[in-house]
Amino acid sequence: GAGVSQSPSNKVTEKGKDVELRCDPISGHTALYWYRQSLGQGLEFLIYFQGNSAPDKSGLPSDRFSAERTGGSVSTLTIQRTQQEDSAVYLCASSLDIFSYEQYFGPGTRLTVT
Amino acid sequence: GESVGLHLPTLSVQEGDNSIINCAYSNSASDYFIWYKQESGKGPQFIIDIRSNMDKRQGQRVTVLLNKTVKHLSLQIAATQPGDSAVYFCAETTYGNKLVFGAGTILRVKS
Repeated sequence: GAGVSQSPSNKVTEKGKDVELRCDPISGHTALYWYRQSLGQGLEFLIYFQGNSAPDKSGLPSDRFSAERTGGSVSTLTIQRTQQEDSAVYLCASSLDIFSYEQYFGPGTRLTVT
Repeated sequence: GESVGLHLPTLSVQEGDNSIINCAYSNSASDYFIWYKQESGKGPQFIIDIRSNMDKRQGQRVTVLLNKTVKHLSLQIAATQPGDSAVYFCAETTYGNKLVFGAGTILRVKS
């Protein structure tokens, strides 16, 4: 069956521009997670959704980062006024619900800020 | 704060040998631990998990050991194959919430 998909796969943007990253979770999965993976680093939690609400936004690095989810499905992570330190791979994962431990990851979006 | 770390950043093994990847965690309240495999250009792939009330769990060619006394987790891969070459992450979580990942170990399999 279809897994988690993300788009674009690669994004190069100029410093100061806004970017939107998209995640399509596995159909029927109500929980959706965003992580960031910087070069040579582990995965850093950003935010998660249960349905359309985000109970935990504690991982968002600054107020330039925001995310939304509509219809309990697709989620968009927006980074405003991008900085070079935002360059990373942004990974999305989904799980059946927040009580399910197993998270399924998408291939990620590689963001490069020049 | 919470942290999950790995002892060895890179592990090179000969094809056919067994591999052991280690991980230390700091949150004694974590009740679920997972090993993920990440190949280049792909997202992490679930390998095996273990709950905090267990000390060992076996899968196909993989075994996870949990030592809560010293907060240590290990992944054993039997008869390592070239296709096992990847970055391996341990992660911990509490009740299905966010995962806290370690920095990762690179496994290189030599033919």
